[in-house]
Amino acid sequence: AQSVTQLGSHVSVSEGALVLLRCNYSSSVPPYLFWYVQYPNQGLQLLLKYTSAATLVKGINGFEAEFKKSETSFHLTKPSAHMSDAAEYFCAVKGTNAGKSTFGDGTTLTVKP
Amino acid sequence: DAGVTQSPTHLIKTRGQHVTLRCSPISGHKSVSWYQQVLGQGPQFIFQYYEKEERGRGNFPDRFSARQFPNYSSELNVNALLLGDSALYLCASSLDGATNEKLFFGSGTQLSVL
Repeated sequence: AQSVTQLGSHVSVSEGALVLLRCNYSSSVPPYLFWYVQYPNQGLQLLLKYTSAATLVKGINGFEAEFKKSETSFHLTKPSAHMSDAAEYFCAVKGTNAGKSTFGDGTTLTVKP
Repeated sequence: DAGVTQSPTHLIKTRGQHVTLRCSPISGHKSVSWYQQVLGQGPQFIFQYYEKEERGRGNFPDRFSARQFPNYSSELNVNALLLGDSALYLCASSLDGATNEKLFFGSGTQLSVL
């Protein structure tokens, strides 16, 4: 079985501030972990993925995430928020069923000028 | 290159009707997955197809069915529509459907059931 919990359905930061979006996972096998971003009226776009090669994963648009097995976490960070980062972010896990990604309920990021 | 394309973009149906949603994967991708995204929630896995065979099924009733064609495009069918079927239906494709592959999503079909 696999599951994802995203802590905080809404996060608001000022432009230029640190972005931290939290994700905790549960998986009965070593997981593959993903962060996706969804802009209004669009599908999901991959930001980054963890596939066991390195615990610190760098993605597009300056985002990165660190896999911490002991904490079963895969939090997403960005040092300096831009207005264009405002969107909904989803953490997802793949485990035993190759075809099935299990998504969290998402975190809406608001960036204030 | 074209991304994942879905049709129609919006659809309004009434309870009890049937609906067919269509998806064309990225050229060269052999795996197609379907997800249901209810407002305020993350996408929920419905089906995965690879090489025209069902590889995985989520926890959805038998009213939901799908198939994949020789050109790797796919259809999702929903019978006897309920109000609760109102959602954004997302199609995603990948090369082989392997566990470490990322998914490429279409923009979805917004289904409203009245």
